[in-house]
Amino acid sequence: GAVVSQHPSWVICKSGTSVKIECRSLDFQATTMFWYRQFPKQSLMLMATSNEGSKATYEQGVEKDKFLINHASLTLSTLTVTSAHPEDSSFYICSARDPRGYQETQYFGPGTRLLVL
Amino acid sequence: DAKTTQPPSMDCAEGRAANLPCNHSTISGNEYVYWYRQIHSQGPQYIIHGLKNNETNEMASLIITEDRKSSTLILPHATLRDTAVYYCIVKGETSGSRLTFGEGTQLTVNP
Repeated sequence: GAVVSQHPSWVICKSGTSVKIECRSLDFQATTMFWYRQFPKQSLMLMATSNEGSKATYEQGVEKDKFLINHASLTLSTLTVTSAHPEDSSFYICSARDPRGYQETQYFGPGTRLLVL
Repeated sequence: DAKTTQPPSMDCAEGRAANLPCNHSTISGNEYVYWYRQIHSQGPQYIIHGLKNNETNEMASLIITEDRKSSTLILPHATLRDTAVYYCIVKGETSGSRLTFGEGTQLTVNP
């Protein structure tokens, strides 16, 4: 399957700082990427859809000014958690839509674990 | 997108086939059935997907009933590394590319 990477794999930061997470599609071009968040013992929750060259679409209840998404190229999307607080501590996972094949498939990155102190 | 129902947990002996069921009784004609799995502390891994025909790849087989109201993911020879949460997701064109994850089935492969 296609490969999607995330960086960093984990990050610890102080409350009030901003954290940037990168998501890259390594062997295909992705016009659409997705950002999910997963709290312990819960399922993945979609936060936003990132479209190359246009504004991201946020799910209901997700603050667009707090979770800044930039999709400047066909292989890179970034999620910036601004003014992070302890309640933002979570597992953040991106996915990229592979347009090849008879039915598009999403491939996921390995995730980024964020701990805000 | 149609809602799916999966058992919360299942056990399987190593080397035996693991059959994971999924009910999607409200599925519509243009909706696909996708299966992903998530090993602890990792991102989800794509397994297989299908519309109405049975599908097989190097990881698993997907059996979809004729009325498409349910499906079964089959791991033919489960190993300890197959221990994970398995998600059955129905996705149609109206949802765009969005995947909605339910609670999934925790499969535990025992030695």
